[in-house]
Amino acid sequence: QSVLTQPPSVSAAPGQKVTISCSGSSSNIGNNYVSWYQQLPGTAPKLLIYDNNKRPSGIPDRFSGSKSGTSATLGITGLQTGDEADYYCGTWDSSLSPNWVFGGGTKLTVL
Amino acid sequence: QVQLVESGGGVVQPGGSLRLSCAASGFTFSSYGMHWVRQAPGKGLEWVAFIRYDGSNKYYADSVKGRFTISRDNSKNTLYLQMNSLRAEDTAVYYCAKDRGVTIPYYFDYWGQGTLVTVSS
Repeated sequence: QSVLTQPPSVSAAPGQKVTISCSGSSSNIGNNYVSWYQQLPGTAPKLLIYDNNKRPSGIPDRFSGSKSGTSATLGITGLQTGDEADYYCGTWDSSLSPNWVFGGGTKLTVL
Repeated sequence: QVQLVESGGGVVQPGGSLRLSCAASGFTFSSYGMHWVRQAPGKGLEWVAFIRYDGSNKYYADSVKGRFTISRDNSKNTLYLQMNSLRAEDTAVYYCAKDRGVTIPYYFDYWGQGTLVTVSS
């Protein structure tokens, strides 16, 4: 059971928009920055979003992030078949036993 | 360009030990915190451990605390993970990842390609 809750799967047609939610608590998302990672099949994860809503260089503006309270959201517009991947949110959990936490991951299917 | 290359994975019996290495290049290794993250077959990402840029502070997941030790040699630009008392549930691909922060985890800006550890008799 992951500390951060994500939907197991989402799907949409090419060209459409999809959002992936990530729910946590005050000890993690509520008081720390959220980052998002994309893992294409058979490859290592890659940074997609950091500081809740910033994109590293090379990441298209079709990808966006937001945070409100203890939840964060990844948005992807203009879906492409190449976006089919697993997506993970992550943040620092500053509880009594500090640790980094990931969401359980969301599999995106582009129909 | 940043490169992180893991090595040391393999098959080990339950109760055994293994040491993973991660050779870093393309950035000032001694200036950044580093992580180990693992992924069991068909499962999601699980954070394992973090070490501060100078090695003076370390954090571990509860699942590995007391069994795994993260360390670094800044003179060799290398990160290590010593794994003892291995269990079947430690079977996973282990990734080395660079943190953008220095003292506490911030976010993972680069990842290695991973090394597979299989714990089986």
